Formats: sequence, C-alpha cells, structure tokens
Amino acid sequence: GAVVSQHPSWVICKSGTSVKIECRSLDFQATTMFWYRQFPKQSLMLMATSNEGSKATYEQGVEKDKFLINHASLTLSTLTVTSAHPEDSSFYICSARVPGLNQPQHFGDGTRLSIL
Amino acid sequence: GQQLNQSPQSMFIQEGEDVSMNCTSSSIFNTWLWYKQDPGEGPVLLIALYKAGELTSNGRLTAQFGITRKDSFLNISASIPSDVGIYFCAGLGNSGYALNFGKGTSLLVTP
Repeated sequence: GAVVSQHPSWVICKSGTSVKIECRSLDFQATTMFWYRQFPKQSLMLMATSNEGSKATYEQGVEKDKFLINHASLTLSTLTVTSAHPEDSSFYICSARVPGLNQPQHFGDGTRLSIL
Repeated sequence: GQQLNQSPQSMFIQEGEDVSMNCTSSSIFNTWLWYKQDPGEGPVLLIALYKAGELTSNGRLTAQFGITRKDSFLNISASIPSDVGIYFCAGLGNSGYALNFGKGTSLLVTP
C-alpha cells in the first residue's frame, strides 16, 4: 500500500517552456502532498507543501510564481515550472502523507528535468 | 526545517559485512524514519519508528528510536550488493507532517 506515482519521469525541453509534473497517490487519499528538489549528491530540499483545496505553502526562497502548485483533488497534486531556464534543471520529487498524525511520507520516483 | 546530523557520510564495505549508521538532532522528534534512495529514483521507506526506545526490524535491517528522542540508528546485517544506495534518516516533529532530513549515507558494497 501507500503507492505514489509521479509523471513524467524525465523531461528535456527548451528554455522558456513551462513544464507540468503530476503526483498521484494511488491507493490512499492525501490531503497533504510535498514537493522536493534534489541536487546531485545532496539531500532533499523541501520546496512547498501542497494542501488539497487550498493554496500551497512555500518554503523561504522558493518563488511561488515560478513553481505553481495545484492540489485539486485528494489524489493529485501538480507542480508547474513556468518559463523554465537551465538553472531550473534538477531532480524533482513529490511525496504524499498517509492520513493521521506522525504518519510517514511516501515518495514518487522523481522527475529529472533538463532545460536546454 | 532542521537538518539532522547523519553519519557516516559514506561507507565502502565488502559483501557480508554489517553496516551501522546513525542520526542525531538537537530537537526531539515524535517519529523517526529511514529511507533508501537508488540512483534516479525517489526514496523508499524502510522502517518507521514511533516510540522512544522502539527497536524495529525489516529483514536484515534493524532500526532504533533513541530514548532521548533525539537520535536513531540503522543497522544492516550481512550486506549484499543490492544494498548499494543512499540512506536517509528523517524526523517528524511537533507539526506531525513536515520531515527533517539527514544529509544521507552513501553505501557501496563490493562483491
């Protein structure tokens, strides 16, 4: 149980393109999902917390107009990297939290984004 | 969020050896989690610990939630090549949902 699916797994696109990444909880409902960014050989850096039916909470230094988050249902959150540039190239990972206090997050397989 | 102190940073061992890694924090946590990440993939939950002093096993993996609630360790017994990867500890504090991650332990196992 507690499977999280992330799509696409790999994107290569030109600078200036907007890219949408989907995160789905397949076998449970997730009122809260999380978006992380990971640089090579580093730990996961939380970008934002996505709450179903309300605005996302962004971490300090993360541009909310650059990284648009939509959590329209209990099983789907999307991250859109708007007008992506080479410096946005990274590994983006989503997670979903099983309902209940102190429950663990389960992660998707990540999206490798490469902006040319 | 708070960065946890995870050590060692990397380990290079022979197949069959036992492995131990640990995490410490200056703050107490309600839950300790251990994840493994393979290259190009997302982290996979290995063990979740919910009570101080709790000792939990998952196959060859054993993890403990420290009595002070500020530390946890993960042991891997009789390592095999597929144990290769990066292991992350993570703690859940009073918010109950925001994870604090360690910097990871990179494990290499030679046949």
